[in-house]
Amino acid sequence: DGGITQSPKYLFRKEGQNVTLSCEQNLNHDAMYWYRQDPGQGLRLIYYSQIVNDFQKGDIAEGYSVSREKKESFPLTVTSAQKNPTAFYLCASSMIGTRLAFFGQGTRLTVV
Amino acid sequence: GQQLNQSPQSMFIQEGEDVSMNCTSSSIFNTWLWYKQDPGEGPVLLIALYKAGELTSNGRLTAQFGITRKDSFLNISASIPSDVGIYFCAGPLPDSGYALNFGKGTSLLVTP
Repeated sequence: DGGITQSPKYLFRKEGQNVTLSCEQNLNHDAMYWYRQDPGQGLRLIYYSQIVNDFQKGDIAEGYSVSREKKESFPLTVTSAQKNPTAFYLCASSMIGTRLAFFGQGTRLTVV
Repeated sequence: GQQLNQSPQSMFIQEGEDVSMNCTSSSIFNTWLWYKQDPGEGPVLLIALYKAGELTSNGRLTAQFGITRKDSFLNISASIPSDVGIYFCAGPLPDSGYALNFGKGTSLLVTP
């Protein structure tokens, strides 16, 4: 079945460590996105990519980095520079030219 | 920045009741989307709207694109327990490709 797979579902890390969240899609979508969700809040855009080897910062990119080496994959690294990394992270993809975004099941990151 | 105001913040209703929620924007939109998020999961697209005045249904759900192009409404008829979740409206996020700007969500609880 086509879809978006995020892994792992739950992730625990010590403060000061970098951590990479995986996002893979087999929908043949050109555009991919990373959003952050905090309790009681909407989703906020971290980074987006519309084509392989190109990506742009969203509203809250500080402390995060991404790569887009393959169309299917858009990993997100939460660096030690991110002041408050504990959150629910959602990856999405869409066909280029549309806003119909389809989401993965999310990764809950807890930094202790 | 552009704001999406979604109301009500939460609703607690009995099974069988109808539900109405709405979303307003500080600027004109050309697209409105409605998503539902179950606890611990990624949002799922319910309805997409593209024209002012458009009324679109998906089963017991009906959404409307407001004629001012600054608002949208979602109605759920004859609610059932599996309607429980958080409902988000979303529209274009400026200067961010085809990324979305999300409201803070309406949390719906349905009692049998």
